[in-house]
Amino acid sequence: DGGITQSPKYLFRKEGQNVTLSCEQNLNHDAMYWYRQDPGQGLRLIYYSQIVNDFQKGDIAEGYSVSREKKESFPLTVTSAQKNPTAFYLCASSLQGVGNEKLFFGSGTQLSVL
Amino acid sequence: GENVEQHPSTLSVQEGDSAVIKCTYSDSASNYFPWYKQELGKRPQLIIDIRSNVGEKKDQRIAVTLNKTAKHFSLHITETQPEDSAVYFCAAQDTGRRALTFGSGTRLQVQP
Repeated sequence: DGGITQSPKYLFRKEGQNVTLSCEQNLNHDAMYWYRQDPGQGLRLIYYSQIVNDFQKGDIAEGYSVSREKKESFPLTVTSAQKNPTAFYLCASSLQGVGNEKLFFGSGTQLSVL
Repeated sequence: GENVEQHPSTLSVQEGDSAVIKCTYSDSASNYFPWYKQELGKRPQLIIDIRSNVGEKKDQRIAVTLNKTAKHFSLHITETQPEDSAVYFCAAQDTGRRALTFGSGTRLQVQP
């Protein structure tokens, strides 16, 4: 959907380097999510945020960090502590509450290690 | 937390045949079960969902069934067409953290 934008489309990380993936939405959604997609493993939850200035760890948060200073933005930093960062990263957003669980995904960022 | 298992990982059918993808979940408190379709090179999109107070839901050629007692739900696609070829993901809503837990995906290929 055009309402959620991820950048860059491709990103390369050197050893020991931190990199930040951008996610912006203009859907006025309260909740935002980061998922990691690896072949054969589906989508695994890294971090999520239900409201500005608050976020929670997902299933694979180690080596990642996030911030939610604005409702529209939920950047993901892949730190040097993440030893296997090569993956496709998907950001998503949704409204809150029962009946509003539908996720709207960005087009993703492919991160590779040099 | 929630754990969702999905089978099969790949499925090949002839055009016009039916396809069935099955998922099981672990958290008996989960109450929302969506299915997402991801075409090659595109983002996942919701195709159908079901809540725990309903046993079956249909939308044209797609249907989803839910068995709460057994904690499993299935996607049924009838009269498959080549454009149904994609990766399909099931998911369950983790009531504890209000975030979806996804299955590992099924790559469906519809042979013309």
